[in-house]
Amino acid sequence: DIQMTQSPSSVSASVGDRVTITCRASQDISTWLAWYQQKPGKAPRLLIYAASTLQSGVPSRFSGSGSGTDFTLTISSLQPEDFATYSCQQTDSFPLTFGGGTTVEI
Amino acid sequence: QLRLQESGPGLVKPSETLSLTCTVSGGSISSTTYYWGWIRQPPGKGLEWIGSLFYTGTTYNNPSLKSRVTMSIDTSDNQFSLKLSSVTAADTAVYYCARHLRSYDSLTGYYVVDSNDYWGQGTLVTVSS
Repeated sequence: DIQMTQSPSSVSASVGDRVTITCRASQDISTWLAWYQQKPGKAPRLLIYAASTLQSGVPSRFSGSGSGTDFTLTISSLQPEDFATYSCQQTDSFPLTFGGGTTVEI
Repeated sequence: QLRLQESGPGLVKPSETLSLTCTVSGGSISSTTYYWGWIRQPPGKGLEWIGSLFYTGTTYNNPSLKSRVTMSIDTSDNQFSLKLSSVTAADTAVYYCARHLRSYDSLTGYYVVDSNDYWGQGTLVTVSS
């Protein structure tokens, strides 16, 4: 199985901050990488797929980059509604696997 | 607007079978553009992919669940279902149904199960006697 390791596990930030979250795959997954946002008690929301493609309706302050084994999710200017948990997912091969999540908190 | 809704018992006894159904509205489950899937999340933990299926009935399961998983699709009712047998407390989780993008892999020439763009609200299933 491909292991997905996220760092940090949590980050404290303020409104307006630039936040960067990293996801590392245990083997080359090309750009088969998605990012999700999840708020307490809610289902995950797809933010980015194919490592850098913004899902329709997602604000442009979110961006993704990377290929191979190292990937990054960046929030350029944190907004109050962005405080949540962010998870990466690889879709290169079965079983599909997720990272452990990064909580962005105040 | 596409909507997915999970339904099924919220409490299952150990060793019994967990059964959930996902009803899709606002779109056809027979679309060739998407796969459909199940993902779960134990309380306070991360997401785990259970399996995915295509409208033709082709399924892909997570080997970690061994042969306990059975998935099926009912195109006439626009639903798909999950059965997880021999459950234990470790299967207690919020279970989500979701739609997968079906993306073309130019390297292999095949279509693949990709990320999840629509999710149900999730349903908590507790395994307890």
